[in-house]
Amino acid sequence: ELKVEQNPLFLSMQEGKNYTIYCNYSTTSDRLYWYRQDPGKSLESLFVLLSNGAVKQEGRLMASLDTKARLSTLHITAAVHDLSATYFCASSGTYKYIFGTGTRLKVLA
Amino acid sequence: NAGVMQNPRHLVRRRGQEARLRCSPMKGHSHVYWYRQLPEEGLKFMVYLQKENIIDESGMPKERFSAEFPKEGPSILRIQQVVRGDSAAYFCASSRGTPAYEQYFGPGTRLTVT
Repeated sequence: ELKVEQNPLFLSMQEGKNYTIYCNYSTTSDRLYWYRQDPGKSLESLFVLLSNGAVKQEGRLMASLDTKARLSTLHITAAVHDLSATYFCASSGTYKYIFGTGTRLKVLA
Repeated sequence: NAGVMQNPRHLVRRRGQEARLRCSPMKGHSHVYWYRQLPEEGLKFMVYLQKENIIDESGMPKERFSAEFPKEGPSILRIQQVVRGDSAAYFCASSRGTPAYEQYFGPGTRLTVT
């Protein structure tokens, strides 16, 4: 069964701290996507990772992909309250995306 | 350049009624995917369609759910005789092709069954 597993499921962190969200996948595809979702809203595309060793950064977020380990990470640097949201990773199977269960991030002032 | 469009954005139905959700893909995209997101969960694949063809409906419940993508017009996800458990957000995505092309997601339709 194709699986994408994220951890942690819940993350409460202080402003200014760093943390990493992990995404393990068992699909054969090595395309990995990260999304942000605010409550009641749609998905906002954050990163598209297409090859082993890919690293992308946007503001306080950095994503990386290790296809050999089938692992992607989303690193948060010096968190701010505005980053509070649910973060999903997704791996593409043949054509369908397999989503992780999401990491609910809450940044405390 | 409009993105993926879905309507309605919110839909309230009583148990036993029918729900029709519409999705217009991005311009130039002929592949449409439907996903369902239950509260506090990730998105789950339901069905993949190309124009006039259902390619994979392995994620669709066997009864009451159907999908189509006609030659003209939007893709439709139809839920007959809705039950409370159908309450969820339904997202549509489109792409130029598979498997190399990224899917672009619409804003979703939030279905509430009362």
